Parts: sequence; C-alpha cells; structure tokens
Amino acid sequence: GDSVTQMEGPVTLSEEAFLTINCTYTATGYPSLFWYVQYPGEGLQLLLKATKADDKGSNKGFEATYRKETTSFHLEKGSVQVSDSAVYFCALRRANAGGTSYGKLTFGQGTILTVHP
Amino acid sequence: DADVTQTPRNRITKTGKRIMLECSQTKGHDRMYWYRQDPGLGLRLIYYSFDVKDINKGEISDGYSVSRQAQAKFSLSLESAIPNQTALYFCATSPGQQNEKLFFGSGTQLSVL
Repeated sequence: GDSVTQMEGPVTLSEEAFLTINCTYTATGYPSLFWYVQYPGEGLQLLLKATKADDKGSNKGFEATYRKETTSFHLEKGSVQVSDSAVYFCALRRANAGGTSYGKLTFGQGTILTVHP
Repeated sequence: DADVTQTPRNRITKTGKRIMLECSQTKGHDRMYWYRQDPGLGLRLIYYSFDVKDINKGEISDGYSVSRQAQAKFSLSLESAIPNQTALYFCATSPGQQNEKLFFGSGTQLSVL
C-alpha cells in the first residue's frame, strides 16, 4: 500500500538556520504530494503541493521538489523563524489509472520543528 | 467563525462509554473525513464521505462508526470506548476531485480512562 516516511524528529534550530525535512514515499502510479503544517493547538493547514514529477511547490519561503527518481519530496527553507515552530507532515494522494484523485491522503508521521531565537 | 468546527474540543470518558464527536462545516464541501493523530504515527484515516449518501471505511475503522446527517455535518461515534482510542481526532473537508486541498478543524482531544 501507499506509505510516507519522514525524517525522525524533533528538529531544533536557531533562527535563520537552514531547514531540511526529508520525506520519501511509496505509491503506485503518479501521486500528488503535499506538505501540511500544524501550529500549536490548531488543525493542519496546507503549506505547499506538487502534482507531477519535477514540479516545485513553494509558499512562505518553504520549497519542495517532486523527485520521482528518488521518490522524495524534501521540505526546505533557507532561513527559519521562531514562528515556523510547528509540526510538519508530508502526505500523498494517489491518483487512479484515469488520473482522477481518490480524494484521500496518506500522511507521514510528522516532524516537530522548534526554532529558538 | 471557523469554517470547520469540531465539538467538543476536549473530552474525557471512561472505558465502555459511548461517545460522539461532531463536525460541521460552512465551506459547502461535499467531501468530509475523520482522522486520528497519534504521536509518532501521523494522521490515519478512520472514515470518509464523498457525499451524503456515500460513506467509506478508512484504514482504521474498527471500533468507530459515522453518520453523515447533512452535507455540512459528519459525526464520529465510538460505541464502546477503549483506552487505545485515546488520541487527537480531526475532521477535514475538501471540495472534490479538481481541488485536492484539505481543510481541517482544530481537533478534539479524547482521553479514554
């Protein structure tokens, strides 16, 4: 079945440090890939997405590139801020043979990021 | 007001009790989902509904049931709660096939003693 594996956390960084959170996936066909972020006490919010190979999703200074050859979708940010402290989830949505999404997400286990001033 | 509202925000119950978690949305979306979040396991899908007459089991539906009372309402029930159902539960909605984005509620923290 489909699965998503994220790097183990928690990740602790100083403000302005470079961030990478690794994500790899297993799925048949051509899934769409997502990063969701969960701030303390809140539900998840979509951070960025990519729907086909070599697409780059970006938002709020975060980027991730859909790498089909390595089945990866690593999240990066050049300079993190304290306000980026949150839990980050990588997820995929598998498309069926006709290219229409089933509409269900498979999530990774989440990576806790803490950024200190 | 939140677009996806879950009630209650927190609930403590005892083993064997029946409880219901409620979700309502004002986004007009057809698709609704229930997930549970456990530390180190991420989110796992319990049930989902693509419209009022469509209910489907997710990967961990045992011990749970759902009811889609209307387009805007999707309830999750634990018929006889057990301690390993202690988790953070999220309701989510999405517009449909052409838009894959999920919109989440703020969650219900359930503790089963």
